[in-house]
Amino acid sequence: QVQLQESGPGLVRPSETLSLTCTVSGGSISRHHWNWIRQPPGKGLEWIGYVYYSGITDYNPSLKSRITISLDTSKNQFSLTLTSVTAADTAVYYCARLTCWGCGFDYWGQGTLVTVSS
Amino acid sequence: EIVLTQSPGTLSLSPGERATLSCRASQSVSSSYLAWYQQKPGQAPRLLIYGASSRATGIPDRFSGSGSGTDFTLTITRLEPEDFAVYYCQQFGTSPRTFGQGTKLEIK
Repeated sequence: QVQLQESGPGLVRPSETLSLTCTVSGGSISRHHWNWIRQPPGKGLEWIGYVYYSGITDYNPSLKSRITISLDTSKNQFSLTLTSVTAADTAVYYCARLTCWGCGFDYWGQGTLVTVSS
Repeated sequence: EIVLTQSPGTLSLSPGERATLSCRASQSVSSSYLAWYQQKPGQAPRLLIYGASSRATGIPDRFSGSGSGTDFTLTITRLEPEDFAVYYCQQFGTSPRTFGQGTKLEIK
């Protein structure tokens, strides 16, 4: 059974960098597209971007200048870095797997709340 | 960017009734690249439907998806108490991979 687990600090200061890691167990990260999605409190879902197992990335243009998503195949993890955060970046951050374009996000992490505040 | 508009925003129904949720796209989406998710409070979304009409693993057959082009529908026949949640559609055909704003299905 594939499982995804997000980890990282729950509080980030404004203008600093948010860094999260998603650890994948029960399956190899050396396949598929690995995604980050976020959800501000009480609001809807926003796709942030993905990294393909080959290292190819695709980012939401609304965040593209501030984000990096990368893979660490030796640890079966992938990561999100978001720079210059503001209160608008406060959200639950989810990682999720996409096996093919027609397949949907079939496995999700439980989510981690990141609050941007001084 | 493809904008997905879901309607209604809130749907109030009773257990046993039929729910029909709509997802309209601002431009055509390949049916292969349209998915539906269910989200309950405090939980991650769960994949219900992919490819517009294929049920994900373990999803009961009271859930069905249909549609093409710009109009897609999620139907839940015979609502069970556990079906009351928020539902999102998502398109994968064009980047960014956008979500609809959600439909809240609540108990009447």
